[in-house]
Amino acid sequence: DTAVSQTPKYLVTQMGNDKSIKCEQNLGHDTMYWYKQDSKKFLKIMFSYNNKELIINETVPNRFSPKSPDKAHLNLHINSLELGDSAVYFCASSQAYNEQFFGPGTRLTVL
Amino acid sequence: GEDVEQSLFLSVREGDSSVINCTYTDSSSTYLYWYKQEPGAGLQLLTYIFSNMDMKQDQRLTVLLNKKDKHLSLRIADTQTGDSAIYFCAERGKKTALIFGKGTTLSVSS
Repeated sequence: DTAVSQTPKYLVTQMGNDKSIKCEQNLGHDTMYWYKQDSKKFLKIMFSYNNKELIINETVPNRFSPKSPDKAHLNLHINSLELGDSAVYFCASSQAYNEQFFGPGTRLTVL
Repeated sequence: GEDVEQSLFLSVREGDSSVINCTYTDSSSTYLYWYKQEPGAGLQLLTYIFSNMDMKQDQRLTVLLNKKDKHLSLRIADTQTGDSAIYFCAERGKKTALIFGKGTTLSVSS
């Protein structure tokens, strides 16, 4: 009964490729997020969707494109992957301003 | 702007109390959070405090909030080796996103 799930857990790919990470939540929340955790463990918000509408779009290269097909899903597509994109990407969800629940993370390694 | 600062490392002996400190800049923050991250794992919400509270206690965890100084602390009583992890302080920024500190790595020796 995983609340926030992400696939894949690990992703290893070559520079220049395009890849997607999927996130699903079964909590009935209306807001979903993508955070990036770099090699120094620093966590930073990338995107946030509320009821399928983009509400936060931080300074992220436009190679990153989030897509929310419905309230329970928020996917992250990355074009032309670069070495610096290697990180752990966390999906999270919340009901409005209440506490956020995080997925297990996707470790992306770009070679 | 919004910013959250934490010390990076803390080392304690098993059975001692651990105190992890955090400062934040956004005085309008209504909620402040503590998350725990074990090696290779995701983020687990430990506790949170509403800005109109000074203290919150939950079993071995005590959160103290000094709103005037924008200072938040997490005290873990009777620290165990299983408490070894990275602890993140976070404030809720604008539009619901969390602004995280850089994390404090707690190392507990037996």
